[in-house]
Amino acid sequence: AQKVTQAQTEISVVEKEDVTLDCVYETRDTTYYLFWYKQPPSGELVFLIRRNSFDEQNEISGRYSWNFQKSTSSFNFTITASQVVDSAVYFCVYSGGYQKVTFGTGTKLQVIP
Amino acid sequence: DAGVTQSPTHLIKTRGQQVTLRCSPKSGHDTVSWYQQALGQGPQFIFQYYEEEERQRGNFPDRFSGHQFPNYSSELNVNALLLGDSALYLCASSLVWGDSPMNTEAFFGQGTRLTVV
Repeated sequence: AQKVTQAQTEISVVEKEDVTLDCVYETRDTTYYLFWYKQPPSGELVFLIRRNSFDEQNEISGRYSWNFQKSTSSFNFTITASQVVDSAVYFCVYSGGYQKVTFGTGTKLQVIP
Repeated sequence: DAGVTQSPTHLIKTRGQQVTLRCSPKSGHDTVSWYQQALGQGPQFIFQYYEEEERQRGNFPDRFSGHQFPNYSSELNVNALLLGDSALYLCASSLVWGDSPMNTEAFFGQGTRLTVV
């Protein structure tokens, strides 16, 4: 069965520091999708990025960047120059095949002013 | 665009009772998925509805059932409530194709916080 591991339960950084959130997944699927979602205290999950298993190109969007490496089954997320508004719980998500969608346990990021 | 709306926002029920939660998807979306998020955990997939049919289902007992209406809105019903059903219930809408329950961006509501006492 597929598994998503976010080993960092909580991370605290000082504003303007860079921070990387780790995500490692296990699967035997050849076709799958990976996502990152942000959950602020209000509760709703906010989509950040989607990658399919055939697209290993790294992506940068403003202060956010993602590093997808199939060889190590990792999909890490870096926030550059963190801001207080980045404080939230971040989830890495795997979806592959029928009925398969798995969220990691989440990493709570606290950015201290 | 109102996005995904869920009602009610909070609910307290007694063990053994039944509950119905409601979700209106984002305009233009035809697929609704439901998730259960226990405190401190990641969401778990309950099921997904498309064209008024249950399209996919996660590992949840039959006490959890749902419905989708012609306007794409959806309900989640839970019978014979247990203390362990206390959680945040999230609804997500999307346009889905293929086999996976999530292969495109999903838009989530703010959830319904259910407390079973």
